[in-house]
Amino acid sequence: GAVVSQHPSWVICKSGTSVKIECRSLDFQATTMFWYRQFPKQSLMLMATSNEGSKATYEQGVEKDKFLINHASLTLSTLTVTSAHPEDSSFYICSARDLSGGEETQYFGPGTRLLVL
Amino acid sequence: AQTVTQSQPEMSVQEAETVTLSCTYDTSESDYYLFWYKQPPSRQMILVIRQEAYKQQNATENRFSVNFQKAAKSFSLKISDSQLGDAAMYFCAYMRGSQGNLIFGKGTKLSVKP
Repeated sequence: GAVVSQHPSWVICKSGTSVKIECRSLDFQATTMFWYRQFPKQSLMLMATSNEGSKATYEQGVEKDKFLINHASLTLSTLTVTSAHPEDSSFYICSARDLSGGEETQYFGPGTRLLVL
Repeated sequence: AQTVTQSQPEMSVQEAETVTLSCTYDTSESDYYLFWYKQPPSRQMILVIRQEAYKQQNATENRFSVNFQKAAKSFSLKISDSQLGDAAMYFCAYMRGSQGNLIFGKGTKLSVKP
């Protein structure tokens, strides 16, 4: 299957700082990427849809000013957690929508563990 | 709104045996896709199998197959000849055809006993 990378794989930061997470589709172009959040032993919750060249679409309850998303190219989307607080500690996963070959599929990055102290 | 329900929080299977994981969903759409993803302890989400709603034939991928009952809105995953490496969380997911975002069930934790 297609490959999606995510960087960093884990990060520890101080409360009040900002953290940027990158999501890259390595062998296909993704006009749409998605950002999910996963708490321990829970399912994935969609945070926002990232569309190349346009503004992201946020799910209800997700603060767009806190979770800044940029999708500047067909292979890269970034999520910036601004002024991070301990409650933002979580596992963040991105996925990229692959429409090549006529099959609708999503491939996931390996995730980023964020710990805010 | 679409919902996905996985009624089995945990399942266990003996190595080399067969196990079936259940999933039901609710939607009024006619164009959609269904997926099963595997999440091992590494937490990397791995695509196991996908099914287009318009296809009547059940999808298969080696030891993995689905039983797609569109009228009943049921999408179960059968794992044959279970292996120790199959132990993981399994998530059923629904994708609306035009939107692309996935709606996940709560997951089923599968244990494989040697």
